[in-house]
Amino acid sequence: DTGVSQNPRHKITKRGQNVTFRCDPISEHNRLYWYRQTLGQGPEFLTYFQNEAQLEKSRLLSDRFSAERPKGSFSTLEIQRTEQGDSAMYLCASSSDRVVETQYFGPGTRLLVL
Amino acid sequence: AQSVSQHNHHVILSEAASLELGCNYSYGGTVNLFWYVQYPGQHLQLLLKYFSGDPLVKGIKGFEAEFIKSKFSFNLRKPSVQWSDTAEYFCAVDESYIPTFGRGTSLIVHP
Repeated sequence: DTGVSQNPRHKITKRGQNVTFRCDPISEHNRLYWYRQTLGQGPEFLTYFQNEAQLEKSRLLSDRFSAERPKGSFSTLEIQRTEQGDSAMYLCASSSDRVVETQYFGPGTRLLVL
Repeated sequence: AQSVSQHNHHVILSEAASLELGCNYSYGGTVNLFWYVQYPGQHLQLLLKYFSGDPLVKGIKGFEAEFIKSKFSFNLRKPSVQWSDTAEYFCAVDESYIPTFGRGTSLIVHP
């Protein structure tokens, strides 16, 4: 299967700890997106990359959040000093700019901050 | 800022009933429009999309959506639902590569 993969699928952490999530996009896709989804809501855009360049960041992305895509392939999303309000599903999606904006989503990483 | 409204948060239907899910957006410029579906235990996947041309768009599994620019709407329809259509449905609007999603509609279809 060559879909979008995310690891870990679940993460439980204590408030104040740092966590890092990984996303592996579909190999030929040069755009990669991160979203956050809470219960009863749709995905909220966090940030996106075109190859290794981070082109847009939402105001939702506080200074505690950082995302990287160093070689234009996989990406990591780190949350420092986690808070209970960070508990959510973190989704990754990728797309090719040859077919405008059909995004392919991964299964998500569910974060629970105790 | 862009906003997307899905008016029906929960819909319960019997098999063979017709379905229409509402979606309205706030931006008046050129946008790309999408419906995504999330089946139980699965991840989000594209149902259909509109970029330009014919405002009536056909997607997978017998779904269709109509873009009405004057009403800022992109409603999803299916003439006869099946039990397997039970899922969460999300409308999304894309402006300059930044998508905004609605909060979703949970559809339950009784066999």
